Amino acid sequence: DGGITQSPKYLFRKEGQNVTLSCEQNLNHDAMYWYRQDPGQGLRLIYYSQIVNDFQKGDIAEGYSVSREKKESFPLTVTSAQKNPTAFYLCASSMWGALNTEAFFGQGTRLTVV
Amino acid sequence: DQQVKQNSPSLSVQEGRISILNCDYTNSMFDYFLWYKKYPAEGPTFLISISSIKDKNEDGRFTVFLNKSAKHLSLHIVPSQPGDSAVYFCAASLEAGGTSYGKLTFGQGTILTVHP
Repeated sequence: DGGITQSPKYLFRKEGQNVTLSCEQNLNHDAMYWYRQDPGQGLRLIYYSQIVNDFQKGDIAEGYSVSREKKESFPLTVTSAQKNPTAFYLCASSMWGALNTEAFFGQGTRLTVV
Repeated sequence: DQQVKQNSPSLSVQEGRISILNCDYTNSMFDYFLWYKKYPAEGPTFLISISSIKDKNEDGRFTVFLNKSAKHLSLHIVPSQPGDSAVYFCAASLEAGGTSYGKLTFGQGTILTVHP
């Protein structure tokens, strides 16, 4: 089955710790994205990547880092510099350079700082 | 600076009636618009989309209308069913020279509740 897999589904982090969220896709999509959802604020773009070994900051990149070493994988690290990391994190992928394409989303990771 | 806005946080509709969800945008460069449906603790799923060259797109019970001059789009669900109860997000993306960029700008979402 083609799709996007995020793991883990739930993650707890102590204050001051870095934590990495996994995102893998087997849709052969070029582009991958990380969004964050907070209540009443919709989805906000953290980082995105159009091709391997390249990525750009989204609207709220501070306190986050990413890598794109493989086409299938786009892990997100939430660093201790992120002031309010508790949120629902969504990974997505899409074709890049294709007309009228939609993004496909994973099931999300709920991160809670304890 | 919210470029895509859904001004109604919630909408309650009786089963069988029409649900109308609205979305406004400010960036005139947006050329492609999408609606996503989301259940709690799950990722959004794509519902329907419309290109800026059209003003209407239908898919079964779902119809999206686009008014470019007003920078407004709406999603109509007819007839509404209890299983349609979810959060609905509108999203917009840019196209340049026929090339679509999947980077989406989302609205805040509207919680739709369909009562039996």
